[in-house]
Amino acid sequence: KAGVTQTPRYLIKTRGQQVTLSCSPISGHRSVSWYQQTPGQGLQFLFEYFSETQRNKGNFPGRFSGRQFSNSRSEMNVSTLELGDSALYLCASSSSGGGIYNEQFFGPGTRLTVL
Amino acid sequence: AQSVTQLGSHVSVSEGALVLLRCNYSSSVPPYLFWYVQYPNQGLQLLLKYTSAATLVKGINGFEAEFKKSETSFHLTKPSAHMSDAAEYFCAVIRSNDYKLSFGAGTTVTVRA
Repeated sequence: KAGVTQTPRYLIKTRGQQVTLSCSPISGHRSVSWYQQTPGQGLQFLFEYFSETQRNKGNFPGRFSGRQFSNSRSEMNVSTLELGDSALYLCASSSSGGGIYNEQFFGPGTRLTVL
Repeated sequence: AQSVTQLGSHVSVSEGALVLLRCNYSSSVPPYLFWYVQYPNQGLQLLLKYTSAATLVKGINGFEAEFKKSETSFHLTKPSAHMSDAAEYFCAVIRSNDYKLSFGAGTTVTVRA
């Protein structure tokens, strides 16, 4: 069974631009969560989707948004990029409705650099 | 709000020696606790989780963690370190006030031959 895939793996953008990251969960997984990882702030929870509905959200500004499609694939969008948005963005999927309470399988991440 | 504190950002151990990674949580109720590992250039992988079923939790790759409510701790151990254990380890808790997963700052483990 294929693991969680994230595209693109690397991305370079400039301040003010917007970016969309994609995540394909493991087949059959319906819960998808997103995390931001930076050297300064560590790992921070962004949001979780289950069956196309956002059911939990971290403490990030409204510039960070996401959605989930009927096939469980998820996208994350960041508008009006700031230098501080440079980070590794990780996506994780879980097989059951328990989402973050259960084992999450992480993708390799998308490395976003904002210049 | 609940959070976790990992004591020591870097730990260096000799191959074959005990690995001990410390994690303390702040909580007034039994929490959900996790240990995740991140190998170089890879995503995170769950090592083990505590869900109040047993205080001693066994995980993958020979790791285990003991939940001690009196000490609000959930330390991770492995009796004998292997070179392949070199990675970054994260303790995490699901906060009971907002049901968000909160990670510790991480502990990087290096294994000396």
